[in-house]
Amino acid sequence: AQSVTQLGSHVSVSEGALVLLRCNYSSSAPPYLFWYVQYPNQGLQLLLKYTTGATLVKGINGFEAEFKKSETSFHLTKPSAHMSDAAEYFCAVSGANTGFQKLVFGTGTRLLVSP
Amino acid sequence: NAGVTQTPKFQVLKTGQSMTLQCAQDMNHNSMYWYRQDPGMGLRLIYYSASEGTTDKGEVPNGYNVSRLNKREFSLRLESAAPSQTSVYFCASSEARQGNTEAFFGQGTRLTVV
Repeated sequence: AQSVTQLGSHVSVSEGALVLLRCNYSSSAPPYLFWYVQYPNQGLQLLLKYTTGATLVKGINGFEAEFKKSETSFHLTKPSAHMSDAAEYFCAVSGANTGFQKLVFGTGTRLLVSP
Repeated sequence: NAGVTQTPKFQVLKTGQSMTLQCAQDMNHNSMYWYRQDPGMGLRLIYYSASEGTTDKGEVPNGYNVSRLNKREFSLRLESAAPSQTSVYFCASSEARQGNTEAFFGQGTRLTVV
């Protein structure tokens, strides 16, 4: 079984500051890990994913995440926040060799960016 | 390229009424999904269709039915709406149902049951 914990339902940063959104997971199988972003009144859009291989994954819009097996973490970072990054971010996990229907989403973190 | 299209975008129902949420994708994807999104609970899977002609229950199927009409379309029906079904509903599709696949989401249907 898989589960995801996102620490902090809201994160506030200033424009230009580092963005760090935390995600810890639990998985009984080697995990596949995803970050999705949801802009207001929109559906979810894939930011990045880790399946196998390199543990530092780069995504769209300057975001990246690092898979740390020893810490069961997959935190999302961006060096410099833009106003356009304000959105809700969801971490999700599925297990290797399981179907997409087994994907489990976290409860989301709303990123607020102030000028 | 429209991707995943959901209709309607907004709906208000009275308790006990029925309605069907429509979803269509133009990416020739095999698998389609219905989720509900509630505050503080993330997305939860209601039903999915791994391929045309098949449907299966997800995490929260009670009170819902689905139909995979063809490869493009996957509808969600509420037979007798209840206030607990007030939520935002998302349809998604993916090329395959492997766990590492990317899903594409529609813009959502905001449903209020009064």
